[in-house]
Amino acid sequence: KNQVEQSPQSLIILEGKNCTLQCNYTVSPFSNLRWYKQDTGRGPVSLTIMTFSENTKSNGRYTATLDADTKQSSLHITASQLSDSASYICVVSARGGYNKLIFGAGTRLAVHP
Amino acid sequence: NAGVTQTPKFQVLKTGQSMTLQCAQDMNHNSMYWYRQDPGMGLRLIYYSASEGTTDKGEVPNGYNVSRLNKREFSLRLESAAPSQTSVYFCASNRLGREGSTDTQYFGPGTRLTVL
Repeated sequence: KNQVEQSPQSLIILEGKNCTLQCNYTVSPFSNLRWYKQDTGRGPVSLTIMTFSENTKSNGRYTATLDADTKQSSLHITASQLSDSASYICVVSARGGYNKLIFGAGTRLAVHP
Repeated sequence: NAGVTQTPKFQVLKTGQSMTLQCAQDMNHNSMYWYRQDPGMGLRLIYYSASEGTTDKGEVPNGYNVSRLNKREFSLRLESAAPSQTSVYFCASNRLGREGSTDTQYFGPGTRLTVL
């Protein structure tokens, strides 16, 4: 069964600190992996998209890594800001005739001053 | 450029009532999607429209119908609402929803629906 598991479920860090969020997936056949940021009460917003051949991709202070062999990805946030408080969702795209996306439940990050 | 817009933002229904959720995008995207988001779960696809004139079922289509009115608009209808349909509904779109696409999906702000 295609699944995307994220850890931790929630995380609290102090402003200025770094953190790493984890994503494990069992989606097959794999097409690409995405990270989204979802602010409370808003729709998800894309941060990165990585294909099978890409190991890392950055978007400002966000850096995503992908290990397609172990089916793991991580999202590293550097020098966190209060505005980073949000849910971060890992999404894996499966091949299947259309752009089929399997969503993780997300990690809820709170950045405190 | 408003992106993806959804109406209404909030709605409360009684069991058995019907309603239509509206979605529009102004990015000239071909593919549009309806998802629902429940607490502790990932977004689940209800229906999608790969291109104007086509619609297909997603993971959880029971109790819903859709209409791709034109390239811009994609509506979701609940014919007889049930408490199990209490959720947050998101519309999304991307340029091409074909297999293996790396196109970004853009999401609307969501509709928060409560069925009593």
